[in-house]
Amino acid sequence: QVQLVQSGAEVRKPGASVKVSCKASGYTFTSYAIHWVRQAPGHRLEWMGWISADSGNTKYSQKFRGKVTITRDTSATTAYMELSSLRSEDTAVFYCARGRIGGINFDYWGQGTLVIVSS
Amino acid sequence: QSALTQPASVSGSPGQSITISCTGTSSDVGSYDRVSWYQQHPGKAPKLMIFDVIKRPSGISNRFSGSKSGNTASLTISGLQAEDEADYYCCSFGSNSTWLFGGGTKLTVV
Repeated sequence: QVQLVQSGAEVRKPGASVKVSCKASGYTFTSYAIHWVRQAPGHRLEWMGWISADSGNTKYSQKFRGKVTITRDTSATTAYMELSSLRSEDTAVFYCARGRIGGINFDYWGQGTLVIVSS
Repeated sequence: QSALTQPASVSGSPGQSITISCTGTSSDVGSYDRVSWYQQHPGKAPKLMIFDVIKRPSGISNRFSGSKSGNTASLTISGLQAEDEADYYCCSFGSNSTWLFGGGTKLTVV
């Protein structure tokens, strides 16, 4: 069965960076894309960007451009989302979700990773 | 890009039907039949309920249905049940190959 398993919760100080992983299984990793979605406490879902697992091409939301870097390792069937220059306002749960260019998107989601930014 | 516009809350009684609207622009909802809806219970990951405006993934009850007119998409839940109480988000594909979520709607089953 399709599964997306994310890395565990992280605590960082302001100014640091964090890298969250999303391990995919149960399907052909390179046939799909991986999206990343942010949800600040008590707030809405926000699309951050996505990566084609095949080509490695990325697309970012204008809001997160320069703040987030999405990469993937096809041999590990894992996608990564790195956030830089963290501020307290970056505290949120981050989700990965599967997507398919021209097809169904966000059909499977990871369990979410809480990132807390605090001094 | 601003979020798609959804009502903050809706409510209904068990057995009733409710509709949640999702208003975008001609650059997203109005231009693409790539609107999807997600159900999110507290502390849980979102769950896909409707994709491509009207399609239901396997395993989703036919009590959930979607539609679109112009720049506004809608999710209708018929025969409300207690377990339907959750937050609901719409999402649309938009210009420049990006995706946009709505502000979310809290459904209360009273």
